[in-house]
Amino acid sequence: SAVISQKPSRDICQRGTSLTIQCQVDSQVTMMFWYRQQPGQSLTLIATANQGSEATYESGFVIDKFPISRPNLTFSTLTVSNMSPEDSSIYLCSVRVAEPNDYNEQFFGPGTRLTVL
Amino acid sequence: RKEVEQDPGPFNVPEGATVAFNCTYSNSASQSFFWYRQDCRKEPKLLMSVYSSGNEDGRFTAQLNRASQYISLLIRDSKLSDSATYLCVVNMYGGADGLTFGKGTHLIIQP
Repeated sequence: SAVISQKPSRDICQRGTSLTIQCQVDSQVTMMFWYRQQPGQSLTLIATANQGSEATYESGFVIDKFPISRPNLTFSTLTVSNMSPEDSSIYLCSVRVAEPNDYNEQFFGPGTRLTVL
Repeated sequence: RKEVEQDPGPFNVPEGATVAFNCTYSNSASQSFFWYRQDCRKEPKLLMSVYSSGNEDGRFTAQLNRASQYISLLIRDSKLSDSATYLCVVNMYGGADGLTFGKGTHLIIQP
């Protein structure tokens, strides 16, 4: 597995503002993903963060709302733009560490708990 | 039809008992299957990968039935520390894609 950190761990924001969440991994990884976990719900994939190219978004998520960067193999950011209370959620990054015979396991960062007032 | 379905529970089980969860998935071409454990206010942690031949790790046994499109998790000799939410997770489209999560099964082990 890999050691994954996220910053900030939590934040309380005003509606209409934007927040950028950072995800740092202690080793180079092939794939990085961003998920959202709304209160009382399970995880939903937002997008795949592609190194050197635009992220690949899932249905219902768009780049203008959730711009993503991945400048290298160990770091990614997710921005939640023009926030509304409906964006209150936990945002998690995950990584896939490719190894021989791997089974596509993913490992998750500790999450960023966002509350929008 | 939901892509990954699980009984949300809660399952209230006495310590030492055996408990089993099932999960069904909709995409017959799904490639990888997992059980994750999530404790309250924590991130999901990989509990077990579920291989076609089934696998066992101590008190935990996972089985995959591709024909019926379901996955199971068996916990023997349950401990108080097993109390958590167990997430059934499927990689439906391959390694370049993310995971699809069930809503989780809440397990409470009672002393």
